[in-house]
Amino acid sequence: GESVGLHLPTLSVQEGDNSIINCAYSNSASDYFIWYKQESGKGPQFIIDIRSNMDKRQGQRVTVLLNKTVKHLSLQIAATQPGDSAVYFCAGLHHNAGNMLTFGGGTRLMVKP
Amino acid sequence: ETGVTQTPRHLVMGMTNKKSLKCEQHLGHNAMYWYKQSAKKPLELMFVYNFKEQTENNSVPSRFSPECPNSSHLFLHLHTLQPEDSALYLCASSQDPGTGNQPQHFGDGTRLSIL
Repeated sequence: GESVGLHLPTLSVQEGDNSIINCAYSNSASDYFIWYKQESGKGPQFIIDIRSNMDKRQGQRVTVLLNKTVKHLSLQIAATQPGDSAVYFCAGLHHNAGNMLTFGGGTRLMVKP
Repeated sequence: ETGVTQTPRHLVMGMTNKKSLKCEQHLGHNAMYWYKQSAKKPLELMFVYNFKEQTENNSVPSRFSPECPNSSHLFLHLHTLQPEDSALYLCASSQDPGTGNQPQHFGDGTRLSIL
């Protein structure tokens, strides 16, 4: 079955620095991935997604990289701001699992002023 | 505003009580989901409804009973819950789960505490 995990439970970065949050997945048939941000007291908020036919996708200050060879994806946040402090989840999906998302455990990003 | 509204935001109930959680989505989506989020655990999918029909029941105990009267509304009826059921219950929706390649949009959850 699918499992999606995160390398670190907590990441602390200085304001203005770049942040990199990593995620590994187990099922090579996974073909769609999403990054979510969850702030305290709120539900997960969609940040960016990527399909398996791509290896990079950029949004506003965020970039997701997908390495299918090693089954790894990362979320890069440029010029990290205090408002980026939250828990970040990756989620993966493959059609053989009924199109259901499998979520990782989350990484807490803390931004130091 | 996420387009997915959950009520109540907080709920405290005893193990013998009966209560319901409500979710409404204003996005015109066809699929709705219930998730359980416990401390330090990944999100756990509970139920999926696609065009009002339940398509997934992820081995959820019968003390949780979902109801989906239409594509915009989803309920989770609770009865005889256990302390370990205390968690954040999240509702989500997506346009069309058939293709799968689309994000789910989440509400802000109901924080449930079982006494």
